[in-house]
Amino acid sequence: DTGVSQDPRHKITKRGQNVTFRCDPISEHNRLYWYRQTLGQGPEFLTYFQNEAQLEKSRLLSDRFSAERPKGSFSTLEIQRTEQGDSAMYLCASSLEGTGRYYGYTFGSGTRLTVV
Amino acid sequence: AQTVTQSQPEMSVQEAETVTLSCTYDTSESNYYLFWYKQPPSRQMILVIRQEAYKQQNATENRFSVNFQKAAKSFSLKISDSQLGDTAMYFCAFMKHPNFGNEKLTFGTGTRLTIIP
Repeated sequence: DTGVSQDPRHKITKRGQNVTFRCDPISEHNRLYWYRQTLGQGPEFLTYFQNEAQLEKSRLLSDRFSAERPKGSFSTLEIQRTEQGDSAMYLCASSLEGTGRYYGYTFGSGTRLTVV
Repeated sequence: AQTVTQSQPEMSVQEAETVTLSCTYDTSESNYYLFWYKQPPSRQMILVIRQEAYKQQNATENRFSVNFQKAAKSFSLKISDSQLGDTAMYFCAFMKHPNFGNEKLTFGTGTRLTIIP
């Protein structure tokens, strides 16, 4: 296992276009988290999955955002009708249920989105 | 809601010296966890050290140690014998005790640490 993978690493899109990011967690990890990191800020929680169930969504996750984890393995994060304010680094992390408090998450390298 | 404050946006120190990064937090929770994460340039974030709020003993991991002051809601990170590989963004993070629920983190804004050769 090579850790948490995120694809693409960088994405430049025009305002109004839809984009989709993918995250492949560590295979044994049943929890998957999405965070957003804007310039000069720390990561902010967006949503998390336990297996295929999306259990919590932040108020930051507007109706234009949707996340899925269809088979409890990889996850996708889609942003519809992108806005310049969506420009950020989108981080994915995974952990085994109940272990994040002891061992932390395993983070991916992130997808940097630039909306022009 | 919890907040985490890192008041030092940038710091630099000579290689082999000791540096302390500050972090304060605000919470009404009594049971929680605190973390320091390191984000090297263009690389993924990794856990440096963690502390459980109900443990009075400060955590230590090799050259990294914390000074946890629960009453003051302070959680500073000390890096001893700093190395060039310690150059990174450091984030302080808070997790309230989740029981079986969401282990989500609340992060500070980070401190950019540069180790000077």
